[in-house]
Amino acid sequence: DAKTTQPPSMDCAEGRAANLPCNHSTISGNEYVYWYRQIHSQGPQYIIHGLKNNETNEMASLIITEDRKSSTLILPHATLRDTAVYYCIVTDSWGKLQFGAGTQVVVTP
Amino acid sequence: NAGVTQTPKFQVLKTGQSMTLQCAQDMNHEYMSWYRQDPGMGLRLIHYSVGAGITDQGEVPNGYNVSRSTTEDFPLRLLSAAPSQTSVYFCASSDWGGRTGELFFGEGSRLTVL
Repeated sequence: DAKTTQPPSMDCAEGRAANLPCNHSTISGNEYVYWYRQIHSQGPQYIIHGLKNNETNEMASLIITEDRKSSTLILPHATLRDTAVYYCIVTDSWGKLQFGAGTQVVVTP
Repeated sequence: NAGVTQTPKFQVLKTGQSMTLQCAQDMNHEYMSWYRQDPGMGLRLIHYSVGAGITDQGEVPNGYNVSRSTTEDFPLRLLSAAPSQTSVYFCASSDWGGRTGELFFGEGSRLTVL
């Protein structure tokens, strides 16, 4: 069974914030939430990860609900280069990532 | 730094042939791994290594062998290729000691088995 549920696709206008949801209702206490993205069949690129606190880096922000059953990846100002498949991954072993189908994000002008 | 380098980028094999996909990293990373990605699907872990001389199986190891004789290199061997192994293969590495959780991926090797 999949550990995460993501919408298969979403569109976003260039310059606007993109909010990518992820449900992980069965997450256990020692599991982290990771986000990666894959641009046009290139190798995946790490975005951000967190355990229970919200996290921010130069690429994105990660908001995790207090019960940790869901999270949202926020791209603050989407650009055309952010068009990609975004993967939400829950794991206690960051070296053994299980990638699902992800969310295909299309940023439009 | 070149990062993670995979060769070849494209390869066509006939059923039963053998080959080795090469992966090299110049970041002195202890952790390295191989994933495969079938069309329209996410990546699946084949084998991984936490350091020279240490390897272990991932989710889909059958049909593949690996070895880790140096920190830099982690080759993936297909001993007898099958059409089911047609896929895109990605190598990844990370600073195991740093435990940052960031995997660095190569650009992929696209393999077709006829």
